[in-house]
Amino acid sequence: GNSVTQMEGPVTLSEEAFLTINCTYTATGYPSLFWYVQYPGEGLQLLLKATKADDKGSNKGFEATYRKETTSFHLEKGSVQVSDSAVYFCALRNTGNQFYFGTGTSLTVIP
Amino acid sequence: DTEVTQTPKHLVMGMTNKKSLKCEQHMGHRAMYWYKQKAKKPPELMFVYSYEKLSINESVPSRFSPECPNSSLLNLHLHALQPEDSALYLCASSQEVIERQETQYFGPGTRLLVL
Repeated sequence: GNSVTQMEGPVTLSEEAFLTINCTYTATGYPSLFWYVQYPGEGLQLLLKATKADDKGSNKGFEATYRKETTSFHLEKGSVQVSDSAVYFCALRNTGNQFYFGTGTSLTVIP
Repeated sequence: DTEVTQTPKHLVMGMTNKKSLKCEQHMGHRAMYWYKQKAKKPPELMFVYSYEKLSINESVPSRFSPECPNSSLLNLHLHALQPEDSALYLCASSQEVIERQETQYFGPGTRLLVL
């Protein structure tokens, strides 16, 4: 079956710290992988995506590389800002209708 | 333009009320989705419409009734809800339903409180 496992939160970092949020997946075939971000009181926004192995998605200083050998899609950012405080969801989409979301990781960045 | 709009932003209703949530997109997407999200949880899929036809109903209670009047609009009709139905209701759309590369674009959600 298809599933996504994310690291448990919450995560609290100081401004300018390095961020890693781990995400691993289980899927048949060749899924596409996504990171969505949800700011307080808002809907989900696409942060980045990768559609095949070794692809790197990047946006707003965030990066994630699709690693088929380790079935991972870890989210990284070199220097976080207070404005990055949000909940981050890893998701996969396989052939068919559904997205499979991880449980979400809450990030708080303190000045 | 990758905008999905939802109205109302907030809704409070009693258990005997009938209300509707609305969702609109003008990206030419042919797939539209309703999700329910409880606090600190990921979104849960409720319904999928493909080319204005209902293609997935994730065993949602009949007190939730979706409707897709045209390719740009998606409604969710609510009747006789329970307090446990209080949640953030998210609408999303994508170009197609089948293709795995397709991104879903989410609206800001309607925060529903059932008293």
